Amino acid sequence: NAGVTQTPKFQVLKTGQSMTLQCAQDMNHNSMYWYRQDPGMGLRLIYYSASEGTTDKGEVPNGYNVSRLNKREFSLRLESAAPSQTSVYFCASTPDRGGGYTFGSGTRLTVV
Amino acid sequence: AQSVSQHNHHVILSEAASLELGCNYSYGGTVNLFWYVQYPGQHLQLLLKYFSGDPLVKGIKGFEAEFIKSKFSFNLRKPSVQWSDTAEYFCAVNAGTGRRALTFGSGTRLQVQP
Repeated sequence: NAGVTQTPKFQVLKTGQSMTLQCAQDMNHNSMYWYRQDPGMGLRLIYYSASEGTTDKGEVPNGYNVSRLNKREFSLRLESAAPSQTSVYFCASTPDRGGGYTFGSGTRLTVV
Repeated sequence: AQSVSQHNHHVILSEAASLELGCNYSYGGTVNLFWYVQYPGQHLQLLLKYFSGDPLVKGIKGFEAEFIKSKFSFNLRKPSVQWSDTAEYFCAVNAGTGRRALTFGSGTRLQVQP
């Protein structure tokens, strides 16, 4: 089925560990995004990529890095996880000319 | 910078009641406006969107929203809610030009009681 695929769905990390969240879309969208969702705060943009080979910081980029590996894939890396990064992470993509986002199913990350 | 305010954090309604969720944004130029719904344990899904034209927008599942430019508002409405509408609702905005990243409101949790 066409859409946005995120892996893993759940993850528990210890403080200081690193991990990469994977995201892939098969809709030929140019723009891809990483958001985090926290209770009472809605979704906040971490990083986005307007096209292959470009990335830009969003509202809350500290502690994260991203890679736009190719047009399909946009990964989010936590180099040294902190409890403040406990959250649900959503990847999304959209065509260039607007339209709504298509979201992945999310990754629930807990940092202990 | 653009921002979005959703003033109702938690709304409880009985089935068949009418719904109106408030959304106000701050941005002086052309905007694109969206409402998303997140059912328990699921990802966000698009309910409706406004780019231009008729300010009354109809979406899926009987939802509609009205763009009132003078009030910087984009309120979501449904004449008669069902138990299955229990979910969290997010308003979002992005500027008509420039960056295409959406800015989301903090969300409104709707609980519909049978």
